[in-house]
Amino acid sequence: GAVVSQHPSRVICKSGTSVKIECRSLDFQATTMFWYRQFPKQSLMLMATSNEGSKATYEQGVEKDKFLINHASLTLSTLTVTSAHPEDSSFYICSARQPGTGLTEAFFGQGTRLTVV
Amino acid sequence: QKEVEQNSGPLSVPEGAIASLNCTYSDRGSQSFFWYRQYSGKSPELIMSIYSNGDKEDGRFTAQLNKASQYVSLLIRDSQPSDSATYLCAVIEGSQGNLIFGKGTKLSVKP
Repeated sequence: GAVVSQHPSRVICKSGTSVKIECRSLDFQATTMFWYRQFPKQSLMLMATSNEGSKATYEQGVEKDKFLINHASLTLSTLTVTSAHPEDSSFYICSARQPGTGLTEAFFGQGTRLTVV
Repeated sequence: QKEVEQNSGPLSVPEGAIASLNCTYSDRGSQSFFWYRQYSGKSPELIMSIYSNGDKEDGRFTAQLNKASQYVSLLIRDSQPSDSATYLCAVIEGSQGNLIFGKGTKLSVKP
């Protein structure tokens, strides 16, 4: 299957600082990538849809000024958690779908475990 | 808001048995359904996709879809301890294809 790479896999930051998470499609070009968040013992919840060359679409309740998404190329989307607080500690996961495959399976990055102390 | 419902479990089966995981969805117009496996602390891994009514088999896994009943299931034959994980049912929502996930069923296969 397609490979989606996410970095870093784990990050600890101080409250008030910003953290950038990268999501790359390694063997295909992804015009659309998705960012999910998963709290302990919960399911994945979509945060935003990242579109190459345009603004991201955020889900209701997700602060766009806090979670900055940049999809500057067809193989890279970044999520920046600004002014992080302990309640932002979570597992962040990106996904992408191979173009031209219709609405078929999506592939996930390895995820980023963010801990804000 | 589309919803995907799963029994959270835990579902415990002995090694070698068949594990049956169930999922219902709210949007009758949904067309694409997926089962993902997620080990603790890891991201989801695709197990099966199914788009048509009926059964789809891949090795020890069989996905079953019944659109009339808005029901999709996953059967795991000859369950192994390594199958112990949380299984997530997902449905596509929206024109861009984002996934709506159920809360997942935790499966435990006992040796």
